[in-house]
Amino acid sequence: DAGVTQSPTHLIKTRGQHVTLRCSPISGHKSVSWYQQVLGQGPQFIFQYYEKEERGRGNFPDRFSARQFPNYSSELNVNALLLGDSALYLCASSLLGGDTYEQYFGPGTRLTVT
Amino acid sequence: KQEVTQIPAALSVPEGENLVLNCSFTDSAIYNLQWFRQDPGKGLTSLLLIQSSQREQTSGRLNASLDKSSGRSTLYIAASQPGDSATYLCAGKTSGSRLTFGEGTQLTVNP
Repeated sequence: DAGVTQSPTHLIKTRGQHVTLRCSPISGHKSVSWYQQVLGQGPQFIFQYYEKEERGRGNFPDRFSARQFPNYSSELNVNALLLGDSALYLCASSLLGGDTYEQYFGPGTRLTVT
Repeated sequence: KQEVTQIPAALSVPEGENLVLNCSFTDSAIYNLQWFRQDPGKGLTSLLLIQSSQREQTSGRLNASLDKSSGRSTLYIAASQPGDSATYLCAGKTSGSRLTFGEGTQLTVNP
């Protein structure tokens, strides 16, 4: 079975632009979470979606938004990009949205803001 | 607020050595703790998941333990190999289903 997939793999944007990152969860998984990993640090939680509803949000500005579609895939949108948004963006899926379920991560999207 | 710390930040060992990576967390009300492996520029590979009701999990040469009362978890790697070289991350899941990660231990196993 395919794991979590993310697109694109790499992306270069200019300050002030907007970006959309995409994630497809493991087949049958209904929950998707997004994390930001700045170089040299551990990932930071951005959002969790379950059954198309936002279930959790980390300490990120309103420039960050996300949504989940009926097929459980998800998009992360970032507006008005800053240099500090350069990072590896990771998507994780889990079977359900509960607290005990294991999360499985995709390969990430490397975003560079110049 | 959950905080996760990993010690050491970096570790270099000769091939064949047994080693222990440490993870500590401040909030004992965790639902589970996961250990991940990350190769440079890549995503996260889940190694072991320990539920809060468990004390340890084993997979091949890897053994992870969890002590909620002391806020500690350890990852034991037996007979290390050069292919084990990577960054190892621990993450605790608390309410809200979010994972809180440590900053990782960068492991180098020298042939």
